[in-house]
Amino acid sequence: GQNIDQPTEMTATEGAIVQINCTYQTSGFNGLFWYQQHAGEAPTFLSYNVLDGLEEKGRFSSFLSRSKGYSYLLLKELQMKDSASYLCAVRDMTTDSWGKLQFGAGTQVVVTP
Amino acid sequence: DSGVTQTPKHLITATGQRVTLRCSPRSGDLSVYWYQQSLDQGLQFLIQYYNGEERAKGNILERFSAQQFPDLHSELNLSSLELGDSALYFCASSSLGGPNEKLFFGSGTQLSVL
Repeated sequence: GQNIDQPTEMTATEGAIVQINCTYQTSGFNGLFWYQQHAGEAPTFLSYNVLDGLEEKGRFSSFLSRSKGYSYLLLKELQMKDSASYLCAVRDMTTDSWGKLQFGAGTQVVVTP
Repeated sequence: DSGVTQTPKHLITATGQRVTLRCSPRSGDLSVYWYQQSLDQGLQFLIQYYNGEERAKGNILERFSAQQFPDLHSELNLSSLELGDSALYFCASSSLGGPNEKLFFGSGTQLSVL
């Protein structure tokens, strides 16, 4: 099994930067995903990391350290539309070769004017 | 629009009843996933299918069952419903179900058990 921890809520001002941390524990790690979910809507893919390091995609960047079981999602130049829940998800190959994609509880980001 | 279609969007039923949720994956995707999302538990993995066969199982109750048909659509059957089964049920699909593939989610079925 595994444990995925991320903060419940973060508040930031429009135009600022916010970093959402995610820690996980699994012996069968095979990739980490970040998804964005607006209230009442489906999650949408943001980023994927399987090797250590930083992946940058426009205003969003994601970092992974496998040895530390740690990832973060960095949101730059925050916009009001970025107010959403951000879900950290880990692919866990512990019990089967296909691997389950398990999600954390999500971090609600509130962007204020 | 993710290309994943779920029906119905909303379902209201009573305890003890049985319901079926339907999912059509994106065109060309062979793998289908089911997730349950409730306010207190987040997004919980239920089950994954690949080309008609079960591939991975999560925290799916024995009262729940699923299948993927030859045309690749999938159904999630929930029986002997309890109040606690009220949740948003998402279906997602990916091309081959591989570990590095991103999932495309449908808009979900909101189930209310009264």
